[in-house]
Amino acid sequence: NAGVTQTPKFQVLKTGQSMTLQCAQDMNHEYMSWYRQDPGMGLRLIHYSVGAGITDQGEVPNGYNVSRSTTEDFPLRLLSAAPSQTSVYFCASSYVGDGYTFGSGTRLTVV
Amino acid sequence: KQEVTQIPAALSVPEGENLVLNCSFTDSAIYNLQWFRQDPGKGLTSLLLIQSSQREQTSGRLNASLDKSSGRSTLYIAASQPGDSATYLCAVRPGGYGGSQGNLIFGKGTKLSVKP
Repeated sequence: NAGVTQTPKFQVLKTGQSMTLQCAQDMNHEYMSWYRQDPGMGLRLIHYSVGAGITDQGEVPNGYNVSRSTTEDFPLRLLSAAPSQTSVYFCASSYVGDGYTFGSGTRLTVV
Repeated sequence: KQEVTQIPAALSVPEGENLVLNCSFTDSAIYNLQWFRQDPGKGLTSLLLIQSSQREQTSGRLNASLDKSSGRSTLYIAASQPGDSATYLCAVRPGGYGGSQGNLIFGKGTKLSVKP
């Protein structure tokens, strides 16, 4: 099994550009979520989904959109990138009540 | 609101020492607790998962304990090695299912350095 796959691994954007971070899992997990990790702030939840067609906001949702059209995929869209969105982004998934599996991350720089 | 704290923020030990990393949480009503390892520039690797009904879990040189009533978990590393150097993160899951209760709440981690 591939687990949780995130693409791209690295990305540099200019302020105002948009992009989509991809996340796919092949474990048939219901739960999927996006976190960002910043120095001194730890991991903060952006958006999450409890199943296909169901999404909700986490702690820091502003500037990001998500959708979940299939169980496998949970893309994160940056609508108009800002320097404050420079961060490392992690996607994670889990079964109900089970442990989480994390992807390897996307390192995003907004200039 | 659930909060997770890890103390110390950083720890340096000589190779071969047994060590304990601490994690505390403010609300004892958790579904499970998960310990992760993160190497610099890398993702999170799950080490141990303890369900709320369990007291401890073991994997190789690692042993994690859970005391829900006191809001504490410890990660014990036996005979530490330089390869154990990493940041260790503790995360609690408030509920098994049901909206936001299924999301993890993280501590800020303990950065461990094991010196040869």
